[in-house]
Amino acid sequence: SQTIHQWPATLVQPVGSPLSLECTVEGTSNPNLYWYRQAAGRGLQLLFYSVGIGQISSEVPQNLSASRPQDRQFILSSKKLLLSDSGFYLCAWSYPGPETQYFGPGTRLLVL
Amino acid sequence: AQSVTQLGSHVSVSEGALVLLRCNYSSSVPPYLFWYVQYPNQGLQLLLKYTSAATLVKGINGFEAEFKKSETSFHLTKPSAHMSDAAEYFCAVRASGGSYIPTFGRGTSLIVHP
Repeated sequence: SQTIHQWPATLVQPVGSPLSLECTVEGTSNPNLYWYRQAAGRGLQLLFYSVGIGQISSEVPQNLSASRPQDRQFILSSKKLLLSDSGFYLCAWSYPGPETQYFGPGTRLLVL
Repeated sequence: AQSVTQLGSHVSVSEGALVLLRCNYSSSVPPYLFWYVQYPNQGLQLLLKYTSAATLVKGINGFEAEFKKSETSFHLTKPSAHMSDAAEYFCAVRASGGSYIPTFGRGTSLIVHP
C-alpha cells in the first residue's frame, strides 16, 4: 500500500532563517506531487505541483521554492522566512489525471 | 477555469440531526468532484468522489453526495450526525484541461452539539 510521510511535524523558526520541509511517498512510482499551505480560515492554497523529477510548477509567487530530486521526494524550501510564511503545510500525491489526492500528516510552521 | 464555493464557513447541528454541507462549482468542462474531511492537526482524507458515473455517490462514515448538473452543486449529506463527525470539510473540483489542477473550497467547519 502507499504511504506518505512529512517531517518535521512541528517547526518554530526565526524570521530570516532558512526552511526545508521534506515529503516522501512509498509504494507507488511517478506520482504527481503537491505542496499546499493552509492558513486559519483560508482553506488550502496550492503552492507547487510536480508531474515528474525536476518538473515543478509554481502557483503562487512567494519566497518559497520546491524541488523534486527523486521520483518520490518533494522538498519545500525558503532562503529567508517571513512572518507570513507561518501556517500548516501539507504534501499530497495522486496518480496522473483527475484522481484522488492523498495527503500527508502536515507540518505546523511558526515563524517568530 | 474552475472554482468551488462552499456556503457557510461553519455549520452547527445537534447529534442525530441531518448534516447538509453545501458545495457549488463552476467548470467549463465536465468536472470530477471530491469531498475531503480534515480532523484537527491532520491531513485531509477522501470522503467520496464523483467521476461521471452514478450521480448519487456514497462515501465513508455514512456520508453521501449528489451531483446535480443543472444546479452545479455537489452537496454533502448525512442522515444522522455523530459527535465524531465534527471536523473541517472541503469540496474540491478537478476539471480536464491538461494538468487537472485541483481547486478547493474554503472549507466548512462542522460543529456537532450533544
